[in-house]
Amino acid sequence: SQKIEQNSEALNIQEGKTATLTCNYTNYSPAYLQWYRQDPGRGPVFLLLIRENEKEKRKERLKVTFDTTLKQSLFHITASQPADSATYLCALEVGGNQFYFGTGTSLTVIP
Amino acid sequence: KAGVTQTPRYLIKTRGQQVTLSCSPISGHRSVSWYQQTPGQGLQFLFEYFSETQRNKGNFPGRFSGRQFSNSRSEMNVSTLELGDSALYLCASSFPGGDEQYFGPGTRLTVT
Repeated sequence: SQKIEQNSEALNIQEGKTATLTCNYTNYSPAYLQWYRQDPGRGPVFLLLIRENEKEKRKERLKVTFDTTLKQSLFHITASQPADSATYLCALEVGGNQFYFGTGTSLTVIP
Repeated sequence: KAGVTQTPRYLIKTRGQQVTLSCSPISGHRSVSWYQQTPGQGLQFLFEYFSETQRNKGNFPGRFSGRQFSNSRSEMNVSTLELGDSALYLCASSFPGGDEQYFGPGTRLTVT
């Protein structure tokens, strides 16, 4: 069965540093992978999508990489701010608009 | 443009009862997916509807069902509730052919 692992459940970093979150998967070759942000009591919010033929995607302070050989995606937030504190989820498209989500990494940016 | 809305936001039910949750997608979105989110299992896919047809179904028992109406609004039903059904139920909608999912705020279901 599909298994999606995100690095440590919680990640604390100092403001201004780069946060790097990891998403590893097995048993599937997704056409694309997404990253979402979820704040307490709210639904996830879409951040970035990267396709299997793309190595890297950027949006403002966010950067996503996708290595289909390693079956891994890295999500970077540069110049992190306390407002970036949230849970970040990766999601794999497994066909037909069906998605499997990782359990998430809770990021805390310390002022 | 209004976002995805879910009603009710909070619900408390007793074991053995049934419950119906509602989701109104963003105008123009025809695909609606439902997810269950718990601290232990994370976000798990329940099912996806497109143009009133269930296209995909996750690995949940038959007690979980859903439907979609001609205006793309969707409902999910859980019968014979169990304590383990306590969770945040999220729905998400997307454009036809779109890759982004837009999530609603969720319905927090507590089964006692």
